[in-house]
Amino acid sequence: GAVVSQHPSRVICKSGTSVKIECRSLDFQATTMFWYRQFPKQSLMLMATSNEGSKATYEQGVEKDKFLINHASLTLSTLTVTSAHPEDSSFYICSARYGARGYGYTFGSGTRLTVV
Amino acid sequence: AQKVTQAQTEISVVEKEDVTLDCVYETRDTTYYLFWYKQPPSGELVFLIRRNSFDEQNEISGRYSWNFQKSTSSFNFTITASQVVDSAVYFCALSPPALNQAGTALIFGKGTTLSVSS
Repeated sequence: GAVVSQHPSRVICKSGTSVKIECRSLDFQATTMFWYRQFPKQSLMLMATSNEGSKATYEQGVEKDKFLINHASLTLSTLTVTSAHPEDSSFYICSARYGARGYGYTFGSGTRLTVV
Repeated sequence: AQKVTQAQTEISVVEKEDVTLDCVYETRDTTYYLFWYKQPPSGELVFLIRRNSFDEQNEISGRYSWNFQKSTSSFNFTITASQVVDSAVYFCALSPPALNQAGTALIFGKGTTLSVSS
């Protein structure tokens, strides 16, 4: 249980184009979804927290206009990298918390974005 | 402030050796959860364990064991008789209590890269 499906797993795009990454909770309702970015050989860096039906909360230093997050339903959150540049190339992972008292965090399988 | 420190950046061992990955955390919460995740080269995060701050019993799962010591704010992870398949990046993470901070993300350490050679 508590599975998050993330797509695409890999994407290559040209500079200046936009890329959308989707995360779906398959067997539970994800009120809150977290988006992380991971550079090679580094830890996961929290980019933003998205709550269903409201605006996302971005971490300091993360450009809201570049990384658009939409959490329109309890099962779907999307991250759109707008006007992508090579420095946006990274591994992006979504996560959702499930459960109440006995809770845990589940993660998508990640999206490796390469901007050429 | 909440923080997780994994001081060991990289560890290399030979198969069948035991290896301990260190994790030290900082938090002002009296209730919190600690986690360990494994990230193989594929990138997907694999959940290993969750521990409640009130439960200080050590846990063993097969070749894996965890030593939680609140007095030293440590939650160390030991792999016994390591295998090549254990090669991965291991992350220790901290989360605040569930009931009053529903939207709080996990706080990750920087990770320890474990390389097990045959």
